[in-house]
Amino acid sequence: GAGVSQSPRYKVAKRGQDVALRCDPISGHVSLFWYQQALGQGPEFLTYFQNEAQLDKSGLPSDRFFAERPEGSVSTLKIQRTQQEDSAVYLCASSFARNIDQPQHFGDGTRLSIL
Amino acid sequence: GQQVMQIPQYQHVQEGEDFTTYCNSSTTLSNIQWYKQRPGGHPVFLIQLVKSGEVKKQKRLTFQFGEAKKNSSLHITATQTTDVGTYFCAGPFQAGTALIFGKGTTLSVSS
Repeated sequence: GAGVSQSPRYKVAKRGQDVALRCDPISGHVSLFWYQQALGQGPEFLTYFQNEAQLDKSGLPSDRFFAERPEGSVSTLKIQRTQQEDSAVYLCASSFARNIDQPQHFGDGTRLSIL
Repeated sequence: GQQVMQIPQYQHVQEGEDFTTYCNSSTTLSNIQWYKQRPGGHPVFLIQLVKSGEVKKQKRLTFQFGEAKKNSSLHITATQTTDVGTYFCAGPFQAGTALIFGKGTTLSVSS
C-alpha cells in the first residue's frame, strides 16, 4: 500500500498477557518510529529505528516494552505482562529521511485496551 | 522539565471565522512541525519551519516560527468544516533528538 500500515487496528487483552503490534512502513523509508498516544494527548515518542538499528529507545516506559525491526522493514512492538496503564493508541510512523527529527508519515495506529 | 505547550486546548468557531493556535516551547527548537489529526484518524504532516522568523502559507493556512525559535503559530483564514480536527505542533529540543508533541488544539466548526 501507499501508506504506513498497522495491525491489528484494535487489540483487547487481559492484564498480564503479552501483546505484539505490527507496523509495515512506506516502502523505502529508512526511519521508523513508535509513539504512544493517550486519549486527549499528543503522541509520545517511544523508540526510533534507522534501517534495522534501534538508535533511540529512550521513550520506552519500562523493560516490558520491546521493539524490533530485524530486516529494516516491518517492525514489531511487543509489550509483556500488560498493565492497565498500557491502554492507549500505539502509532507507527516512517520517514525517508535518515534523521529522528524530520517530518513523518503516520499509520492509523493500534488501539490497545487492557482489561 | 522541557515541554511544548499549545493554547487554546479547544476552540469552536462559526464557519467563515478565523482561527489561531499558539505553540510555546520551554526551550529553543531546531525546527517546528505541524500535524493535523482528524477525529478517529492519524496525525498528518502539514508543514515544517526551520528558520527564525520564518512564515509559510498553504492556501488558507499561515504558519509562523518565532524569532527566538521558541514559539510558533498556525492561523486559518475563513474556516471551513473540513478544517475540523486537532492541530499538533512538534519539535526537537536539540537537532538529532526525538520530536516532542504538544497536547494539541482541537478545532470544531459549525456551519
